[in-house]
Amino acid sequence: EAGVAQSPRYKIIEKRQSVAFWCNPISGHATLYWYQQILGQGPKLLIQFQNNGVVDDSQLPKDRFSAERLKGVDSTLKIQPAKLEDSAVYLCASSLLSQGLNTEAFFGQGTRLTVV
Amino acid sequence: AQSVAQPEDQVNVAEGNPLTVKCTYSVSGNPYLFWYVQYPNRGLQFLLKYITGDNLVKGSYGFEAEFNKSQTSFHLKKPSALVSDSALYFCAVRDNTNAGKSTFGDGTTLTVKP
Repeated sequence: EAGVAQSPRYKIIEKRQSVAFWCNPISGHATLYWYQQILGQGPKLLIQFQNNGVVDDSQLPKDRFSAERLKGVDSTLKIQPAKLEDSAVYLCASSLLSQGLNTEAFFGQGTRLTVV
Repeated sequence: AQSVAQPEDQVNVAEGNPLTVKCTYSVSGNPYLFWYVQYPNRGLQFLLKYITGDNLVKGSYGFEAEFNKSQTSFHLKKPSALVSDSALYFCAVRDNTNAGKSTFGDGTTLTVKP
């Protein structure tokens, strides 16, 4: 079974530039998550989708971050404009819908973003 | 608001010795608790979870965790550590009243020395 795919693996941009990350979840997984992991910290949930609807985006900085999952499968996360403090690893994860709450998440390898 | 605390940034043990990685949590309602492991340059991998039932749950690679409701803890354990267990370990709690939002601890680096 293929895992969660993310691209690119690494990205270096200058501040005020824009960047986009792509995620393809495990086939059949209705729930998709984007996390931000700053060095030395645990992953912080940015946005959670259930199929193509947003379940939680309370910690997404909406003035600069956006995410979509138009067809309920793959997803993109965009940052525009980027700030130095956005340097982090961006993790995508997916899980089965089922009861939703007790299923574990499967993570991609992440995209390491460096903003200079 | 829910939270997770991993009080030790680093845990060092000798190979063959038992290991414990500590986790305490705060959440409304019944907690769903998870442990994940992160190896260098790899994504987080699921180890085990507690949903309900027996307080001692067994997971991958010989790991187990004990749920203690009164102490709001979910410590990860292994009877005999391997050098290959060296990695970064994250505890997470999911709130069953908040659309399943997960909160992660800041991680504990486990180093097992030969």
